[in-house]
Amino acid sequence: NAGVMQNPRHLVRRRGQEARLRCSPMKGHSHVYWYRQLPEEGLKFMVYLQKENIIDESGMPKERFSAEFPKEGPSILRIQQVVRGDSAAYFCASSPPVQAGGLMSPNEQFFGPGTRLTVL
Amino acid sequence: AQSVAQPEDQVNVAEGNPLTVKCTYSVSGNPYLFWYVQYPNRGLQFLLKYITGDNLVKGSYGFEAEFNKSQTSFHLKKPSALVSDSALYFCAVRVLNNNDMRFGAGTRLTVKP
Repeated sequence: NAGVMQNPRHLVRRRGQEARLRCSPMKGHSHVYWYRQLPEEGLKFMVYLQKENIIDESGMPKERFSAEFPKEGPSILRIQQVVRGDSAAYFCASSPPVQAGGLMSPNEQFFGPGTRLTVL
Repeated sequence: AQSVAQPEDQVNVAEGNPLTVKCTYSVSGNPYLFWYVQYPNRGLQFLLKYITGDNLVKGSYGFEAEFNKSQTSFHLKKPSALVSDSALYFCAVRVLNNNDMRFGAGTRLTVKP
């Protein structure tokens, strides 16, 4: 069972360009989370998605950042008009569906290897 | 609101000695606590979690953590450190029905031969 996959592993963009980061969750997982890790800092939650739905985007910057998790294909984190401050490692995590009965279970999240974005 | 603090940026121990990486939390509600490890240029790997039950939780690679409700702590421990344990360790907290998992800033553990 392959783990969470992210690509590309390294991405270099010039200021003003767009960055697209992809995340394929583990097989059977329908929940995807995106985190950003700035140099020498901890992880910061960005967004939580299920298939075709954004559940919680409270950690997303208001402008230039968007995320989707379509019915088919990977989850995409998109950063428009990148600036140097966007340089960071972006991690995706996935978790299995909630238990029957609708209760949110605090399942551990399985993390991908991350995409390191460098903005020149 | 929920938050996690890892008071030490760096922990240095000698191989074979016990190690402790500290974590304290603040939540309104019952906490669900996690430890993750990050090796250089790798993603996070799950080590262990506390949900309920026994306060002493055993995890991967010989690590364990003790949940202390009165001190709001969840320190990570290992009886005998290995050089290969050198990595960045993250504590995280989540509350039931809350999607936001809060991570600490991380503690860099260095185990010297």
